[in-house]
Amino acid sequence: EDKVVQSPLSLVVHEGDTVTLNCSYEVTNFRSLLWYKQEKKAPTFLFMLTSSGIEKKSGRLSSILDKKELSSILNITATQTGDSAIYLCAVISGTYKYIFGTGTRLKVLA
Amino acid sequence: GAGVSQTPSNKVTEKGKYVELRCDPISGHTALYWYRQSLGQGPEFLIYFQGTGAADDSGLPNDRFFAVRPEGSVSTLKIQRTERGDSAVYLCASSKQGSTDTQYFGPGTRLTVL
Repeated sequence: EDKVVQSPLSLVVHEGDTVTLNCSYEVTNFRSLLWYKQEKKAPTFLFMLTSSGIEKKSGRLSSILDKKELSSILNITATQTGDSAIYLCAVISGTYKYIFGTGTRLKVLA
Repeated sequence: GAGVSQTPSNKVTEKGKYVELRCDPISGHTALYWYRQSLGQGPEFLIYFQGTGAADDSGLPNDRFFAVRPEGSVSTLKIQRTERGDSAVYLCASSKQGSTDTQYFGPGTRLTVL
């Protein structure tokens, strides 16, 4: 059965800290891995990763995929209270099906 | 529209009632997905439409759940004889053509079955 596992489940840090969120997967027909940020209800798209070893970066956020280890990390540097959210990892299996992990709940304290 | 919209944002109903949840995808997006998200969990796939047809409904939990997309744009998720276990946030997402295109999510409908 396809599955996506995220760790840690939750994390509390102080503003300015750097965090690393992990996502590992076991899927039969991997196409891509995506990261989303979910603050209230709608997950908002962060990154799509298809190739191993190529870092994607957007401001203080960056992510990289390791297809050999079947995993990805999402890094957030100089965290701010506005980064508090649930971070979801999803893997596309086959042509269209998204399989989500349970998410990492990040809380950034002022 | 600018983004995916869903109505209502919240729905409270009694056990046994029928509910309809609506999704308006991004204009021009042919692929539409419904997910269910329970507390503390990630979104769980329910059904995928490509145009008007349901290409994959394998995630629908049972025959009380049904979804339509008659004109290839707006979709309605219908739940008959609701049960307390149906309480969750129902998310809709759309993408340009499906396949590996990025999915963009709506704000969801929080369904509470009393």
